[in-house]
Amino acid sequence: SQTIHQWPATLVQPVGSPLSLECTVEGTSNPNLYWYRQAAGRGLQLLFYSVGIGQISSEVPQNLSASRPQDRQFILSSKKLLLSDSGFYLCAWSDRPTGANVLTFGAGSRLTVL
Amino acid sequence: GQNIDQPTEMTATEGAIVQINCTYQTSGFNGLFWYQQHAGEAPTFLSYNVLDGLEEKGRFSSFLSRSKGYSYLLLKELQMKDSASYLCAAMDSNYQLIWGAGTKLIIKP
Repeated sequence: SQTIHQWPATLVQPVGSPLSLECTVEGTSNPNLYWYRQAAGRGLQLLFYSVGIGQISSEVPQNLSASRPQDRQFILSSKKLLLSDSGFYLCAWSDRPTGANVLTFGAGSRLTVL
Repeated sequence: GQNIDQPTEMTATEGAIVQINCTYQTSGFNGLFWYQQHAGEAPTFLSYNVLDGLEEKGRFSSFLSRSKGYSYLLLKELQMKDSASYLCAAMDSNYQLIWGAGTKLIIKP
């Protein structure tokens, strides 16, 4: 069966520090991978998605970046965090980009920027 | 613009029935999803509708009217564990998901 791992679960970072969140998927190949951010009282915001190694689509211009160095690994990074980067970050995967594109989410990473 | 509307919060009693409504406006339409999210956890998939009508899955049912841009999630025989947020998401013509802010459902004994 497929599983998705995301870490770290929580982190507190000072403004201006770097960020790295990692996500891996097991039990499938060539998954579609996504990074979302969830702010309190707002819908999920798609940050990045990837349909293959090295293929990253950015949905929102900001100081975050994503990379997919391996088929089942997706990394969210920042060189300098802002206060507004605080939130709940969710990695997700799906096996198809269209139709009944059911997303399976990782457990989430709660980031607090101070 | 694209938009999803759903109530912010609802309260219901254990054992009762509750209907959570969702209206959507998207550029094209390729289906409507419902996810459940317990506090501090990741969303989990509940249902997908692309054709008009009611889809029943155990205690949960989901309804879609494409002409009205409307969906609802019906929860029967409510249990305390159903206390969660319920997220509505519509897929547009580019197969991108547009998410609602979620409805927090509070179940009282």
